[in-house]
Formats: sequence, structure tokens, C-alpha cells
Amino acid sequence: KAGVTQTPRYLIKTRGQQVTLSCSPISGHRSVSWYQQTPGQGLQFLFEYFSETQRNKGNFPGRFSGRQFSNSRSEMNVSTLELGDSALYLCASNRDTTSYEQYFGPGTRLTVT
Amino acid sequence: GQQVMQIPQYQHVQEGEDFTTYCNSSTTLSNIQWYKQRPGGHPVFLIQLVKSGEVKKQKRLTFQFGEAKKNSSLHITATQTTDVGTYFCAGRAGGTSYGKLTFGQGTILTVHP
Repeated sequence: KAGVTQTPRYLIKTRGQQVTLSCSPISGHRSVSWYQQTPGQGLQFLFEYFSETQRNKGNFPGRFSGRQFSNSRSEMNVSTLELGDSALYLCASNRDTTSYEQYFGPGTRLTVT
Repeated sequence: GQQVMQIPQYQHVQEGEDFTTYCNSSTTLSNIQWYKQRPGGHPVFLIQLVKSGEVKKQKRLTFQFGEAKKNSSLHITATQTTDVGTYFCAGRAGGTSYGKLTFGQGTILTVHP
């Protein structure tokens, strides 16, 4: 079974631009969570989607948004990029509400210049 | 909001020595998970603990969940160079199985051969 895939793997953007990251969960998984990982802040929870509905949300500004499609694929968008948004963005999927083990993707390394 | 503190931040050991990382939450947790992230990789799920005072073992790894469900530990016996990586705990707030996961800062383990 294929793992969680994220595209693109690397991205360089300029301050003020916006970016969209994509995550394809493991086949059959309906829950997708997004995390921001930085050396100073560790793993910070962004949001979680289940069956196209946002179930949980972290403490990030409104510039960070996400959505989930009917095939469980998810995207996150960051508008008006700031230098501090440079990070590894990780997506994780799990099967359903009764399943707790999260499977992480390789991440998208975003650099904002 | 919920905070999960993890100590130590760094640990250097000689191969064969034991290693322990501790996780403390500011609030009661419904469950706690542990993940390992190898250098350059993504977090990989190790285990989930749910019950107060629960102890689980995986070969040389022993996981404990405190009686008050506010702290947890991971102990590795006789470390090997393959144990190198960052170990994260992640807790869900009490009263819900589906609340957001809050990650600790992680403990970076270095094993010297």
C-alpha cells in the first residue's frame, strides 16, 4: 500500500506570495492532519480534516487554511507569506475516527525569502 | 491552552547505555502517543497509551503513562546506533479521543559507537 504523498517536496517563495501544498493520504484513510515543523517550535498542529470537514484547528493565523476533497486528498494554503513561515509542512493520515495511528508523509520544505 | 513539555532536549549516550525521555502535560490527557523521527525523515508512530499507569514494551523500548495521565516516559535499554533520532510525545486533551494532538518539543538522541 502506498504511503502518504506530499507535493511539492521543496518550494521557494517570496514574501507576500501565496502557496498551496497538497497531500494524498493512504488509500482508505479519511482523516488528514497538517503540521508545521521548525527547529525552534517543534511540531505545531495546524488543522485536521475528516470527511471534508475541519474537525480540529490549531492556533495559527487566518492566513493558513485548508480543505479536503471527497477523495480525502487535502490541500493547505498559506497566503501573504512571511519569512517565519519557512518550515517543513507535514501531512499525516489515519483511517477513521476509531483509528489513532497517524502515518506521516515526507513533508514539503517551504523556504520564504 | 494545552502544553506538552518534553525533557531533555538533547541526550548523548554511548552505545549500550540506557536512555530516558520524559513528557509532561499541563492538563490531563485522554491518551498519549510516541513517535520517532530519524534525521532527514518524518515522524513514525511507535505506540499509544490510554490507561492510567499503563506500561507497554516493544523490545528494548518501555513506555509508561502516569497515574494522573499527565506524564509519560520512554526508556530505551542498551541503546544502539539505530536508535538515533528525535523522539516525540504527543497528547490529546482529556475528555476526547479526537482532540488535536499536541506534540512535545522532542528529545534528540545521539548514540556514540
